[in-house]
Amino acid sequence: QVQLVQSGAEVKKPGASVKVSCKASGYTFTSFDINWVRQATGQGLEWMGWTSPNSGNTGYAQKFQGRVTMTRNTSISTVYMELSSLRSEDTAVYYCARGWCSGGSCFQPWGQGTLVTVSS
Amino acid sequence: DIQMTQSPSSLSASVGDGVTISCRASQSIGAYLNWYQQRSGKAPKLLIYAASSLQSGVPSRFSGSGSGTDFTLTISGLQPEDFATYYCQQTYSTPITFGQGTRLEIK
Repeated sequence: QVQLVQSGAEVKKPGASVKVSCKASGYTFTSFDINWVRQATGQGLEWMGWTSPNSGNTGYAQKFQGRVTMTRNTSISTVYMELSSLRSEDTAVYYCARGWCSGGSCFQPWGQGTLVTVSS
Repeated sequence: DIQMTQSPSSLSASVGDGVTISCRASQSIGAYLNWYQQRSGKAPKLLIYAASSLQSGVPSRFSGSGSGTDFTLTISGLQPEDFATYYCQQTYSTPITFGQGTRLEIK
């Protein structure tokens, strides 16, 4: 079945970087974009950006420009999201989600989420 | 950025009830509106896409309607597993934005 499996929880210090992976299976990896969405505890969903596993093209929300990098490794069907200069406000669950529907205009499925905790 | 506003923020209902959740966009988004369900501690799950299309495998008690700026999610005959948080999402333009969520609780 189609699924996205993410890497495990991370604890980082302020100023550090974190790299979260998202491994796809059950479909042609290069055929669908991957989006990243984060959710702080008890809060709503915040879109961070997307990457094309086929071309490597990316698009980032302005809020994260300069701090986020999304990459992929097609040989292992995995995309990565790296967030740098971490601060306490970046503590959240980070999800990857496949762009589905026409033009990738909906997200399905989602990964299980990766908790990133930023604490000194 | 397009702002998405859901109402109510929370509501209580009983098993078997019907409920409606509204979502309003700050500008017209055509039918680029999706609905997700998120159970506690789980990833969101797509319910409705393109405003009114039911995702495969989702029970038919879920339905969506609307276009332009005003949209609704209707759940008829609530089941115990439906008590969760619901989010609308616009994918008309980037940045993609979500509503703040509607928490559906058991009365």
